[in-house]
Amino acid sequence: NAGVTQTPKFRILKIGQSMTLQCTQDMNHNYMYWYRQDPGMGLKLIYYSVGAGITDKGEVPNGYNVSRSTTEDFPLRLELAAPSQTSVYFCASSSGTSGYNEQFFGPGTRLTVL
Amino acid sequence: KNQVEQSPQSLIILEGKNCTLQCNYTVSPFSNLRWYKQDTGRGPVSLTIMTFSENTKSNGRYTATLDADTKQSSLHITASQLSDSASYICVVSANNYQLIWGAGTKLIIKP
Repeated sequence: NAGVTQTPKFRILKIGQSMTLQCTQDMNHNYMYWYRQDPGMGLKLIYYSVGAGITDKGEVPNGYNVSRSTTEDFPLRLELAAPSQTSVYFCASSSGTSGYNEQFFGPGTRLTVL
Repeated sequence: KNQVEQSPQSLIILEGKNCTLQCNYTVSPFSNLRWYKQDTGRGPVSLTIMTFSENTKSNGRYTATLDADTKQSSLHITASQLSDSASYICVVSANNYQLIWGAGTKLIIKP
């Protein structure tokens, strides 16, 4: 099992460019999440999904979009990149939404917007 | 406001020594508390989860404690190893679904 995989590992964008961060999990988890991690801060939830076709906003959704067409994939779209979106992005999945369900994380994508 | 505060922000200790990391929270209603380990350049990995009724739980050289009255948790690492160098993140679950993440403690083990 690969678990949660993310691509790319690193990316540099210019202001105003767009990109899609890819996330795939092979654990058949219904629940998937996107977080951003800024230096010295806790993880912030961007978007989450409770199953294919169902997504919802988290704490910091502005400037991002998601889709969930399959159980396995949960891509994150950045439109009109801004320097404030420079961060490390983590995708995670879990078998349930309860706090008792462990979230399994991908290796992260380090994004720099210049 | 639900908050999780961790201390210290960073810690350097010699290999073989013990250390204790702290997590204070103001989260209501409390469901559970989880400690994650995050190696540099990797995603967090769960070490242990504490529920309201649990005071102590061990996972190898890691021992977590929870005092629900004072809303404090600690993670004690015994006989530290170089591989323990990582960030340790405390996460508290409110309402059994909302997660409040601490900023983490960066631990460096020196040989």
